[in-house]
Amino acid sequence: AQSVTQPDIHITVSEGASLELRCNYSYGATPYLFWYVQSPGQGLQLLLKYFSGDTLVQGIKGFEAEFKRSQSSFNLRKPSVHWSDAAEYFCAVGARHSGYSTLTFGKGTMLLVSP
Amino acid sequence: DTAVSQTPKYLVTQMGNDKSIKCEQNLGHDTMYWYKQDSKKFLKIMFSYNNKELIINETVPNRFSPKSPDKAHLNLHINSLELGDSAVYFCASSQIAHTEAFFGQGTRLTVV
Repeated sequence: AQSVTQPDIHITVSEGASLELRCNYSYGATPYLFWYVQSPGQGLQLLLKYFSGDTLVQGIKGFEAEFKRSQSSFNLRKPSVHWSDAAEYFCAVGARHSGYSTLTFGKGTMLLVSP
Repeated sequence: DTAVSQTPKYLVTQMGNDKSIKCEQNLGHDTMYWYKQDSKKFLKIMFSYNNKELIINETVPNRFSPKSPDKAHLNLHINSLELGDSAVYFCASSQIAHTEAFFGQGTRLTVV
């Protein structure tokens, strides 16, 4: 069965500083990987996804993530954090089965942005 | 235009009551899901329906009964509510060929 580990529960970053959120996955086949963001009281918004091809993927709001198969990682990065980026970030691995698919989420990383 | 919409957004009810949460998607997707987010923000899939047929039931108590009248709607009915059912419930949808899911805003259920 697939699993996702986000080792950091909380991260605090100064506004304007760079950000990296870690994600490690376990899956027996080629993974489909996602990063979602959840602002307080809101639903989940997809930031970016990796299905295949270029291992560096660009997403919305200036985020990018790099898939590293050898490390089973899919870390999320942003060169300059804005106060509005403060939110909960979830990494997920998608598993395709016969006729359906499922997402397994990590436990999330709460990003705090200091002035 | 809201892609995946859930109602209500907040639901406060007493133990033992029966309640329903409704979900609708206008994305033309084949598959819909219910996820539960607990107090520690952990998200876990509960059910998945493809073209009105149940395809995933992740060991959820049978007090929870999903119903899909058509592929654009997936409702969640909960009988005999318990304190431990308090959580945020998210509806989502996807195309069967892709695993990318689009989520609703969530329904925060509080059982008192």
